[in-house]
Amino acid sequence: GENVEQHPSTLSVQEGDSAVIKCTYSDSASNYFPWYKQELGKRPQLIIDIRSNVGEKKDQRIAVTLNKTAKHFSLHITETQPEDSAVYFCAALRRGGSYIPTFGRGTSLIVHP
Amino acid sequence: GAVVSQHPSWVICKSGTSVKIECRSLDFQATTMFWYRQFPKQSLMLMATSNEGSKATYEQGVEKDKFLINHASLTLSTLTVTSAHPEDSSFYICSARGTGFVEEKLFFGSGTQLSVL
Repeated sequence: GENVEQHPSTLSVQEGDSAVIKCTYSDSASNYFPWYKQELGKRPQLIIDIRSNVGEKKDQRIAVTLNKTAKHFSLHITETQPEDSAVYFCAALRRGGSYIPTFGRGTSLIVHP
Repeated sequence: GAVVSQHPSWVICKSGTSVKIECRSLDFQATTMFWYRQFPKQSLMLMATSNEGSKATYEQGVEKDKFLINHASLTLSTLTVTSAHPEDSSFYICSARGTGFVEEKLFFGSGTQLSVL
């Protein structure tokens, strides 16, 4: 089955700095890679996603890059703000009803004002 | 966008009682529902996968007689924690996959914080 590794487990930055979280996956059949932000006691919120036919996607301060050859994808947050503090999860999925999504272990991002 | 409604958002119960958690897909057909358990600052731990009209598939180590899952319709799945014990206290969350344009994506319920006294 799919295996998703996520690093780092904790990331502490100063407000205004950039933050990068990396994930690797093992199943070359995975073709959809979402990133979720989860605040304590709340549901994971999809913040950005990328499909395997695209190398990079950007949405304001958030970007995701995908390297299919190396099987890794990264989340980039620029100009971090205290409200970006949360746990971020990556995941690897593909079409097919029985395919089980695989999540990374999560990264606790702390943005210090 | 697609919405999954999960109830209750929190529940406190006595040890030995049963608790039912519901997840409803409000504007799409949830062909597959995933049930997760999550401890503070940890990742989502998959408990079981259910497809509408079929028996749930449980992950290794998850007791199917304790965590009863029913997915009787394309819009409703339930998780019942039977004879709850304090060690069952956790955050439980569902996520759904649909068909068509939403097929790849996961839509999460809002989660249920269960506290067993």
